[in-house]
Amino acid sequence: GNSVTQMEGPVTLSEEAFLTINCTYTATGYPSLFWYVQYPGEGLQLLLKATKADDKGSNKGFEATYRKETTSFHLEKGSVQVSDSAVYFCALSTNAGKSTFGDGTTLTVKP
Amino acid sequence: EAQVTQNPRYLITVTGKKLTVTCSQNMNHEYMSWYRQDPGLGLRQIYYSMNVEVTDKGDVPEGYKVSRKEKRNFPLILESPSPNQTSLYFCASSLQSQGGYEQYFGPGTRLTVT
Repeated sequence: GNSVTQMEGPVTLSEEAFLTINCTYTATGYPSLFWYVQYPGEGLQLLLKATKADDKGSNKGFEATYRKETTSFHLEKGSVQVSDSAVYFCALSTNAGKSTFGDGTTLTVKP
Repeated sequence: EAQVTQNPRYLITVTGKKLTVTCSQNMNHEYMSWYRQDPGLGLRQIYYSMNVEVTDKGDVPEGYKVSRKEKRNFPLILESPSPNQTSLYFCASSLQSQGGYEQYFGPGTRLTVT
C-alpha cells in the first residue's frame, strides 16, 4: 500500500531560521502530494500542493517540489516566524480517492 | 462561509453504546472522508465517499460504518464503541479533480470511550 514518511520531530528553531521538513513517499501510479498545517485545537488546513513531477507548490513563504526520482516532497521556508509554530503533515492522494498522511512534525519557533 | 461542520465536538461515552458523529459540508463537494488522529500515528483514513451512495474503506475501517445518502452529509457510526476507538476524529471534503483531493477539514470531534 501507499505510505508517507516524515522526518521525526519535534523541531525547534529560532525566529528567522531556515526550515526543512523531509517527506518521502511510496505509492503506485502518480499521486498528488500535499502539505497540511494544524494549529493547536484546530483541523488541518491545506498549505500547498503539487500534482505532477517537478511541480513546485508554494504558499506563505513555504515551498515544496515534487521529486519523482527521489519520491520526495520536502517542505522548506527561508525564514520562519513564531506564528509558524504548528504541526505539519505531508500527504498523498490518488485519483481512486485514498489518502495517506505522514505522522506529522511539530515545529516550535522561538523568538 | 464555506465550511465543514462536525457534531458533537466532544463526546464521552461508554463501551457498547451506539453513537453517531455527524459531518456536513456546504461546498457541494463530491468527495468526503473520515480520519482518526492518534499520537504518533498521524491521520489514518477510516472511510471515504466519492459521491452519493458510493463509499469505500480506508486503512482502518473496522468498527465503523458510514452512509452517504445526501451530498452534503457523511455521518460516522460506531455501532458498539470500544476504548481503542478513543481518538480525535476529523471529517473532510473535497472537489474531485485530476489534481487529487485537496481536502477541507472540519474542526474535529474528540471521542472518549470508557
